[in-house]
Order: sequence, then structure tokens, then C-alpha cells
Amino acid sequence: EDKVVQSPLSLVVHEGDTVTLNCSYEVTNFRSLLWYKQEKKAPTFLFMLTSSGIEKKSGRLSSILDKKELFSILNITATQTGDSAVYLCAVRDARAQKLVFGQGTRLTINP
Amino acid sequence: NAGVTQTPKFRILKIGQSMTLQCAQDMNHNYMYWYRQDPGMGLKLIYYSVGAGITDKGEVPNGYNVSRSTTEDFPLRLELAAPSQTSVYFCASFRDPETQYFGPGTRLLVL
Repeated sequence: EDKVVQSPLSLVVHEGDTVTLNCSYEVTNFRSLLWYKQEKKAPTFLFMLTSSGIEKKSGRLSSILDKKELFSILNITATQTGDSAVYLCAVRDARAQKLVFGQGTRLTINP
Repeated sequence: NAGVTQTPKFRILKIGQSMTLQCAQDMNHNYMYWYRQDPGMGLKLIYYSVGAGITDKGEVPNGYNVSRSTTEDFPLRLELAAPSQTSVYFCASFRDPETQYFGPGTRLLVL
């Protein structure tokens, strides 16, 4: 059965800190890994990763995929209170085209 | 484009009642999905469809039914509502290789 595990489940840091969120997966037919940010509503897309070792970057956020180790990280530098959210990792199954989600990491940034 | 729309936004059901959650997209996406998200948890796939007339079960299909008679619409039917179905329901769609677009969600409370 396909599985996505995120860690930590919860993280509280101070504004300005750098955080690293982890996502490991077991998927039979891997197509892509996606990161979403969710604040009290629907998830919003951050990154899609398909190739190992190629960093995707958007402002203070970056992400990278290791297909050999079945692992991805999401980095946020110089965190701001607006970064407080649940961050979801999901893996797309190539055969069924469905997304399997992890349980999410709840990130809280204190001023 | 309206994107992915869901109705209703919020509903209270009594145990044993039935209802249909509506989902529509105007992006001509083939793939559509229904997820549920329980408090503090990630998204669990209920049903998905790869095109009109084709549906398949996800991780948690029990207690639900779907149909896909058109590309645009993908309603989710709850028969005999139970308290365990209290959740937030998200509909999503995508057309390969784009990422998934989520609807705003339907919050369902079964009492």
C-alpha cells in the first residue's frame, strides 16, 4: 500500500528561524511529489518535484527530492508569521494518477 | 474560469440522512478526486475518476458513492450518514501534467 510519512508532525519556531520539513514515501509507481500549504481552507500548491537532486525554489521556500532514498525536504528560511500553516506532502501514483497525502506538518511561527 | 467549485460550503446532517456534495470544474480536466480531511490530519482519497463514465475507489470509499456522467461534474453521495463522516470534503481536478486544483471544501457535520 502506498504510504507518505511527514515529520515532524508539529513544529514551533521563532520568526527569522530556518525550518526543514521532511517527507518520506513508499509508492509503487512514482510519478511526482508535491508540496502544498494549507491555512484554514483548501491546500495551495507550492512545488512539484519529479527529478532527483534538482532544487525548486520560490522566494524563501525551496524543496528537493531524493528518489534513491525516497525522501524530500521543504526548507523555509527567514520564517515569518505568515508562514504558519499546515504543510502537506503528496506523492502521485503514475499508474492510477491519484495523490497519496502525508498527515501534514503543522508549523507555527511565533513573533 | 471559475476553477473547481463545491456546494454546499457547510451542512449539518442527522444520522441516517443522505445528501449529495456537488463538485464542478470548468477547466476540461479529465481527472477528478474526492478527499476528506479530518481535524489535524492529511487528506484521504475517497473516490477518483479518470474521465467521464469511469470511477474508482480510493483509500476510504465505504459509505460513499460517486458518478461521473460528464467531464465537468463529479458528485459525491453519502447514504445513511454516520458521525464518522463528519469531516471537511475537498474536490480536486487536474489534467496531466498540471498540478491539482482544489475546490474550497465542504464542511459536513453529522449529529
